Amino acid sequence: NAGVTQTPKFQVLKTGQSMTLQCAQDMNHEYMSWYRQDPGMGLRLIHYSVGAGITDQGEVPNGYNVSRSTTEDFPLRLLSAAPSQTSVYFCASSKQGYQYFGAGTRLSVL
Amino acid sequence: DAKTTQPPSMDCAEGRAANLPCNHSTISGNEYVYWYRQIHSQGPQYIIHGLKNNETNEMASLIITEDRKSSTLILPHATLRDTAVYYCIVRVNYGGSQGNLIFGKGTKLSVKP
Repeated sequence: NAGVTQTPKFQVLKTGQSMTLQCAQDMNHEYMSWYRQDPGMGLRLIHYSVGAGITDQGEVPNGYNVSRSTTEDFPLRLLSAAPSQTSVYFCASSKQGYQYFGAGTRLSVL
Repeated sequence: DAKTTQPPSMDCAEGRAANLPCNHSTISGNEYVYWYRQIHSQGPQYIIHGLKNNETNEMASLIITEDRKSSTLILPHATLRDTAVYYCIVRVNYGGSQGNLIFGKGTKLSVKP
């Protein structure tokens, strides 16, 4: 039981490049979400999903797309990376009232 | 969701109890108090949650005042590994799925030898 797995752990992009951050969970959780954390700040919600085929926007969705084709996977796509998207990204899943977080992806956009 | 107020930082001696306060004066009757912590730059880790009764698990105790306007997270015997940022979050529990969490800046707890 691996919990919530995020890949890659580190990534450097150039402005304008696109990429997908992967998130997978093996706990059969319906709810999954993506957060970003900037230095010295708390986490901010980007997008979330309450089940396969259902997604919705969080607090800071601009510049990001998500889809949920399976219960296990919830990828986050950066369409055209910008320096303002330099951050640490956390994926989480939840079923029984509290959330499990992945180890994070550290993204730098130059 | 109700807003929470936490001190930005606290120190605690190793082996002593760490008492982390949280004010949530606008909490609604159906909102729970959740505590998470984030060690260094790892993903946040769930600690404990409660509605109105005091709660205890293997990690910590949660004391909620009778009027529910404030709470205290207690780490009974703090170790150096408990050094982390602790987040107090107030949230309605939607049918077993916690829904979205709103993180503030939390309290940075430093446990010192």
